Amino acid sequence: EDKVVQSPLSLVVHEGDTVTLNCSYEVTNFRSLLWYKQEKKAPTFLFMLTSSGIEKKSGRLSSILDKKELFSILNITATQTGDSAIYLCAVLYNTGNQFYFGTGTSLTVIP
Amino acid sequence: DTGVSQDPRHKITKRGQNVTFRCDPISEHNRLYWYRQTLGQGPEFLTYFQNEAQLEKSRLLSDRFSAERPKGSFSTLEIQRTEQGDSAMYLCASSLGQLFQETQYFGPGTRLLVL
Repeated sequence: EDKVVQSPLSLVVHEGDTVTLNCSYEVTNFRSLLWYKQEKKAPTFLFMLTSSGIEKKSGRLSSILDKKELFSILNITATQTGDSAIYLCAVLYNTGNQFYFGTGTSLTVIP
Repeated sequence: DTGVSQDPRHKITKRGQNVTFRCDPISEHNRLYWYRQTLGQGPEFLTYFQNEAQLEKSRLLSDRFSAERPKGSFSTLEIQRTEQGDSAMYLCASSLGQLFQETQYFGPGTRLLVL
């Protein structure tokens, strides 16, 4: 069965630290991978990745995909307390239109 | 606000009752998705519509669950004979549905508690 696995499950850092969140997948016929940030409400979109090796960047957040090794990372530099959230990874594959979500990484940034 | 909206935001019901949730997608989006999310888990796919056609349903969706999108705009999700295990956040998302325009935008969710 297709799986999306995120690690670590939870992370506590101090403000200013840099964090790297991981998402690995086993889906066949991969099409795209998305990162979402979820605070105490619905997920909000961060990045969509379809091509290997091309970094997507938005402010202090960046993400890259490795289609050979079947994983993606989400980096957050100079973390702030407002970055505290659950970060979700979702994978879409070609044989359907269903997104498979990982269980998320819970990030807590301490002042 | 032109985002995805859901109604109600919270619902408390007794076991055995029927409940219905509504989702209004972003107006130009032709795809609409329903997900269920429980504590500590990522969203779990339930079903999706392309315009008014329901194209996929999760194997996990029991026959107590039914969804409609009669005119290709808003959608409803009904749960009949609710059970305590149905307690969860029900999320709706919409997307343009074109190749590489598949980013889903989520509504605020309906939190269901079955007593």
